[in-house]
Amino acid sequence: GENVEQHPSTLSVQEGDSAVIKCTYSDSASNYFPWYKQELGKGPQLIIDIRSNVGEKKDQRIAVTLNKTAKHFSLHITETQPEDSAVYFCAALSFDRSGGYNKLIFGAGTRLAVHP
Amino acid sequence: DARVTQTPRHKVTEMGQEVTMRCQPILGHNTVFWYRQTMMQGLELLAYFRNRAPLDDSGMPKDRFSAEMPDATLATLKIQPSEPRDSAVYFCASGPLNVRSGGPSYNEQFFGPGTRLTVL
Repeated sequence: GENVEQHPSTLSVQEGDSAVIKCTYSDSASNYFPWYKQELGKGPQLIIDIRSNVGEKKDQRIAVTLNKTAKHFSLHITETQPEDSAVYFCAALSFDRSGGYNKLIFGAGTRLAVHP
Repeated sequence: DARVTQTPRHKVTEMGQEVTMRCQPILGHNTVFWYRQTMMQGLELLAYFRNRAPLDDSGMPKDRFSAEMPDATLATLKIQPSEPRDSAVYFCASGPLNVRSGGPSYNEQFFGPGTRLTVL
């Protein structure tokens, strides 16, 4: 089955710097890769996603890149702000053959701290 | 602003008691997921419903956990009897099942705020 690894587990940056979080996946058939942001005491929020037919997607200060050959995808946050501090999760959509359906497999999360 | 709602937000109970957590998915979404989040295990999928039918509950301890969708606006997760190791945050998520003709299907998921369960 699919396995998603996420690095680093913690990341500390100064306000205004960029932050990069990387994930690798094992199932070459995976075709959908969302990123979630979880603030303290809240549920994970979908912030950006990418499908396997594109290599990069941007939304203001966040961008996601996908390398299908190498089976890795990354989240890039530019001009970081203190409110970007949260735990970020990557995920990959994997087809469960025994059940005949897709399910998301999550990475272990990255705790990002942005210092003023 | 459509969102997934969960009740209760916090629950403290004693070992052996029954716990019921409720989730109202976003109107129109036909997939519902239950996850458990702990520091040690991260996000674990407990159950997955599509069009109210359970597709996968392999992540749940069957002897004590049960998940149901009595109707399209309500999903429940029940623990009976509860144990201290069940202490965690339980999230419900819902999503549309997007199936493109001849193409792959995607499962966007939108999470609720969670139920923080403490079993003493």
